[in-house]
Amino acid sequence: SAVISQKPSRDICQRGTSLTIQCQVDSQVTMMFWYRQQPGQSLTLIATANQGSEATYESGFVIDKFPISRPNLTFSTLTVSNMSPEDSSIYLCSVGEGGKQFFGPGTRLTVL
Amino acid sequence: GENVEQHPSTLSVQEGDSAVIKCTYSDSASNYFPWYKQELGKRPQLIIDIRSNVGEKKDQRIAVTLNKTAKHFSLHITETQPEDSAVYFCAASIEGAQKLVFGQGTRLTINP
Repeated sequence: SAVISQKPSRDICQRGTSLTIQCQVDSQVTMMFWYRQQPGQSLTLIATANQGSEATYESGFVIDKFPISRPNLTFSTLTVSNMSPEDSSIYLCSVGEGGKQFFGPGTRLTVL
Repeated sequence: GENVEQHPSTLSVQEGDSAVIKCTYSDSASNYFPWYKQELGKRPQLIIDIRSNVGEKKDQRIAVTLNKTAKHFSLHITETQPEDSAVYFCAASIEGAQKLVFGQGTRLTINP
């Protein structure tokens, strides 16, 4: 399966600031997704990152808060904007490959 | 939209015994059901999946069964080992391996 990396692996940020998370895949993939995993909780899909067009957001998530870029078939970014302590979570990218979905290592975000 | 319920939330079994985790889904159009294992601090790892045209699938000590009529699917782990200790998540999708909706997770502990 594709090798997926994320940067940064963790960060501590001040409220009101923004953080951009990068997801890099070692091969071209059609489908890329962004999930949030709040502490001790399950995974929730934020959006599907579409190459060459705007991301498709799930209910409860908006572009102003979580802008996403997908400039090519191997890379995507998720920005968490105007952060509050409630945004403290693990953010994971995933890719669809061979009819399955595989996850990156995640970015652990703490907002103070 | 789709809703996935997972039970139990915690499960403790003796090493060598079997473990069963159950999930129910709400949308009869769902056609893809993966299971992920997440060890502490690690990414979710796909361990087995099943599609709606199959009733059962087995991979060594792990098996998944699907009952489309009742809209539930289960993970079976036989001859459990300490390394099976982790949080297990079920998921469902109506679009193949896209837009996964996750269950709440089951923390499985294998007691030596």
